[in-house]
Amino acid sequence: NAGVTQTPKFQVLKTGQSMTLQCAQDMNHEYMSWYRQDPGMGLRLIHYSVGAGITDQGEVPNGYNVSRSTTEDFPLRLLSAAPSQTSVYFCASRARSSYNEQFFGPGTRLTVL
Amino acid sequence: QKEVEQDPGPLSVPEGAIVSLNCTYSNSAFQYFMWYRQYSRKGPELLMYTYSSGNKEDGRFTAQVDKSSKYISLFIRDSQPSDSATYLCAMSAGSSASKIIFGSGTRLSIRP
Repeated sequence: NAGVTQTPKFQVLKTGQSMTLQCAQDMNHEYMSWYRQDPGMGLRLIHYSVGAGITDQGEVPNGYNVSRSTTEDFPLRLLSAAPSQTSVYFCASRARSSYNEQFFGPGTRLTVL
Repeated sequence: QKEVEQDPGPLSVPEGAIVSLNCTYSNSAFQYFMWYRQYSRKGPELLMYTYSSGNKEDGRFTAQVDKSSKYISLFIRDSQPSDSATYLCAMSAGSSASKIIFGSGTRLSIRP
């Protein structure tokens, strides 16, 4: 089991560029989430999904899009990157019956210039 | 006001000390309470979770929940340098709740 994988590990973008952060899990988990982590702010929920074809907004969804076409994959799209989106992004997954034990990926460090 | 408040630290204690980490929250619907540990440049890992009020012990770690005060704690006994990490509290409203809300994390350093 690879668990939760994220690519890329590091990325530098210019303001206005778009990109997709990839997330995949091989544990057949129903729930998947994207968080961003900024100094002093903890983990803030961006978007989440409770199953293929179902997504919803978290605390800080503006500037980000998601889709969930398969159970395994949950990509996060930045349509027009802004310096305020400089952060570390974590993808997480859990089984619906697991009483909140989330498994996190290793993170993607994104810098927007 | 944030739903979950956590002192960011940093907290530095000598090896062997008892460490107390705390969070307060405002949403009375929270029923599941978790502590995650995050080493530098890694993703968070679940350390412990508890349901509703009470205590839970796992080795050197004890989690306490006081729902009447909306206050949760994590105690680490006989702290070790390997416990140096950021500790994040997290909460949700139900076992199948899709949203888990995190505190800002407390950075802990154990001095040898």
